[in-house]
Amino acid sequence: TQLLEQSPQFLSIQEGENLTVYCNSSSVFSSLQWYRQEPGEGPVLLVTVVTGGEVKKLKRLTFQFGDARKDSSLHITAAQPGDTGLYLCAGLRSGSARQLTFGSGTQLTVLP
Amino acid sequence: DTEVTQTPKHLVMGMTNKKSLKCEQHMGHRAMYWYKQKAKKPPELMFVYSYEKLSINESVPSRFSPECPNSSLLNLHLHALQPEDSALYLCASSRGTVNNEQFFGPGTRLTVL
Repeated sequence: TQLLEQSPQFLSIQEGENLTVYCNSSSVFSSLQWYRQEPGEGPVLLVTVVTGGEVKKLKRLTFQFGDARKDSSLHITAAQPGDTGLYLCAGLRSGSARQLTFGSGTQLTVLP
Repeated sequence: DTEVTQTPKHLVMGMTNKKSLKCEQHMGHRAMYWYKQKAKKPPELMFVYSYEKLSINESVPSRFSPECPNSSLLNLHLHALQPEDSALYLCASSRGTVNNEQFFGPGTRLTVL
């Protein structure tokens, strides 16, 4: 059983469209991170959210942490081909000895 | 220096070979990690080193043997691997602070024939 479920698993959209990726769990996380991974590369950290209800913006990307710190979302406005990649959420639970729990991943393809 | 480097980038080995993967970081991070990743799947944690001591081994088969010679280096020694071990092997490091944000290397693409 995956502790952190991401949806959708695959997403293919046209350039200029908006999209939202969801990361859901029944567990509480002390913080949650979002990474993007391009083919042949390692994941790159995009953002960390810590406080319930927190919203962070990174250019066209908006990240939100749920009030109960069990879920998060990533919204991309006016997607571009450069946004293509595997998006991973990763949560840190209290007392987990620094072990991140990765979500199941969302493979995004933005077509020109 | 804000990156994690890994060598080699690609490795092809037979089931009887012995090889090693190397990882290096100079960010002063005291926690280092090995992950295994299959295509379009999330990384799976294999080992965690904290202050150069092995702190987590996620029930990894003994054909994978980690080593942390010093605070900047992390090796993964491979012996008698199976074709199903073919994957992208990622190294990461972190400061070990409250949020434990991890910095990943580019990975080694391993193919076992």
